[in-house]
Amino acid sequence: GAVVSQHPSRVICKSGTSVKIECRSLDFQATTMFWYRQFPKQSLMLMATSNEGSKATYEQGVEKDKFLINHASLTLSTLTVTSAHPEDSSFYICSAGPGGVFYEQYFGPGTRLTVT
Amino acid sequence: SQQGEEDPQALSIQEGENATMNCSYKTSINNLQWYRQNSGRGLVHLILIRSNEREKHSGRLRVTLDTSKKSSSLLITASRAADTASYFCARDNQAGTALIFGKGTTLSVSS
Repeated sequence: GAVVSQHPSRVICKSGTSVKIECRSLDFQATTMFWYRQFPKQSLMLMATSNEGSKATYEQGVEKDKFLINHASLTLSTLTVTSAHPEDSSFYICSAGPGGVFYEQYFGPGTRLTVT
Repeated sequence: SQQGEEDPQALSIQEGENATMNCSYKTSINNLQWYRQNSGRGLVHLILIRSNEREKHSGRLRVTLDTSKKSSSLLITASRAADTASYFCARDNQAGTALIFGKGTTLSVSS
């Protein structure tokens, strides 16, 4: 199957700093990528849909100025957590699929963010 | 919440037994997918079933879909310890632009 990578896998940062997480589709082009957040022992909550060459679509309740998404190429989307706070600590996962949501999605391995 | 409901939330069985997980949703769908997640890892796609399909098989996995009841089930037969993971159903949203995940079932298979 297709491969989606995520970097970094773990990051610890101090309160007030910004952290960038990269999501790459390694063997296919993705005009759309998705960013999820997952708290311990909970399900995935869709944060935003990243659209290549245009603005991301954010879910209700997600602060677009805090979670900046850039999808500058067909294989790369980045999520930047700005001015991070301890409550932003979470597991962030991206997904993409060559056929969109009507076909299977391929997930990155996730990024564990800890804000101290 | 747009999330579907899955039951049970947790399931503990012995190796060799079958495990059944259920998923319900509230709006119409184009397809429903099942994913598996090992602890602290990304998700792995298991099966996609379209709204005009009623049953699908893949190895030891069997998925059924009842659109009239807005429900789906995932059956894992002859379970193994390696099947221990969380299982999620996911449906497309009404606009067909994103996947919405259910709350998941945590399966524990002991040897």
